[in-house]
Amino acid sequence: RKEVEQDPGPFNVPEGATVAFNCTYSNSASQSFFWYRQDCRKEPKLLMSVYSSGNEDGRFTAQLNRASQYISLLIRDSKLSDSATYLCVVKAGGTSYGKLTFGQGTILTVHP
Amino acid sequence: DGGITQSPKYLFRKEGQNVTLSCEQNLNHDAMYWYRQDPGQGLRLIYYSQIVNDFQKGDIAEGYSVSREKKESFPLTVTSAQKNPTAFYLCASSKQGSPYEQYFGPGTRLTVT
Repeated sequence: RKEVEQDPGPFNVPEGATVAFNCTYSNSASQSFFWYRQDCRKEPKLLMSVYSSGNEDGRFTAQLNRASQYISLLIRDSKLSDSATYLCVVKAGGTSYGKLTFGQGTILTVHP
Repeated sequence: DGGITQSPKYLFRKEGQNVTLSCEQNLNHDAMYWYRQDPGQGLRLIYYSQIVNDFQKGDIAEGYSVSREKKESFPLTVTSAQKNPTAFYLCASSKQGSPYEQYFGPGTRLTVT
């Protein structure tokens, strides 16, 4: 089983739609969680951290369910510019400094 | 503007040759990292360095070597011992106290034939 698993998609949604991605992680000792965004053939960029209580940043909402070991990202009112690959990223407890484990990414395409 | 630069953007080499990928940052970050990304896979950590003159192996260090002689620079050498070197290589850095907020360079696409 992969340490971090995501539905690779692709998700094709119209502008204005709400879309949700899930991600599961295998290490119950995982401590920190993040969503990164990667545009086609570009570098990943941090989108948001995921806090235990859930957190929101504009149209983006991230949630964590430790009991079920999954993380979700909800995007409301999708824009064309949201088209990208969304990477679920986990820092496991006890791992080396700065070591992150990346999921393979979920591809989102928003169409007019 | 502060940031991370990687050069070149595209690199082509013949099998059996060593090749060095450049990574420079002017963010004054202490830690630097090298990842590789293959199609349909997540990023995998090759090496990382927390401070100058110190570096640690990541998950897939075999066939790679690094140096960290200056805070700003963390070059990666892909040696001929690396079995499948063709990949997208990404360098990242982070500031002290925030090792999980990593800033990435634009990447180098290496093709070995």
